[in-house]
Amino acid sequence: GQSLEQPSEVTAVEGAIVQINCTYQTSGFYGLSWYQQHDGGAPTFLSYNALDGLEETGRFSSFLSRSDSYGYLLLQELQMKDSASYFCAVWAMDSNYQLIWGAGTKLIIKP
Amino acid sequence: EAGVTQFPSHSVIEKGQTVTLRCDPISGHDNLYWYRRVMGKEIKFLLHFVKESKQDESGMPNNRFLAERTGGTYSTLKVQPAELEDSGVYFCASSQARTSGSYEQYFGPGTRLTVT
Repeated sequence: GQSLEQPSEVTAVEGAIVQINCTYQTSGFYGLSWYQQHDGGAPTFLSYNALDGLEETGRFSSFLSRSDSYGYLLLQELQMKDSASYFCAVWAMDSNYQLIWGAGTKLIIKP
Repeated sequence: EAGVTQFPSHSVIEKGQTVTLRCDPISGHDNLYWYRRVMGKEIKFLLHFVKESKQDESGMPNNRFLAERTGGTYSTLKVQPAELEDSGVYFCASSQARTSGSYEQYFGPGTRLTVT
């Protein structure tokens, strides 16, 4: 089957750096996306990685290693507004261009 | 530009009743997706439209679920008859054509369905 694993919850302090890991097992792979969802809100797109390496967008960066079937989302200079759930999702080749989603990581930020 | 909209935002129905959810994608987006998230679990793919055609409906749980996208604009998802396990948040998302090179899906706010 196809599955994505990510921690259910991560706690960090305001101003710190946090890394949310995602490992995947899929029959094929186009790329890895990250989405952010605040409580009661819609998931919003953060990043997409198709190639190995680090992509940086402001305070957020996303990393992919295709050989390890692994990626992470790195959040720097954490702010209270970053408290949300973060989902990794894989575009899998054999799934007719659909996203396979992880269960989400709830990020709790303490002052 | 208006985002993806969904109606209703909440629906509480009894087991055995019928509910129809509506999604209006971003204008010009060919791809429309339906997802469901049960409390604390992953977002599960239900189906994917390209314009008015069902590209992939492998995620539809059973024949009590019927999705349509007449004219390739808005889409409806009907659950008939509803069961307790159908409770969850139903998200709709839309995206541009694959040839645009964009992998971003734009999500609506979701419909929270509670079956009692």
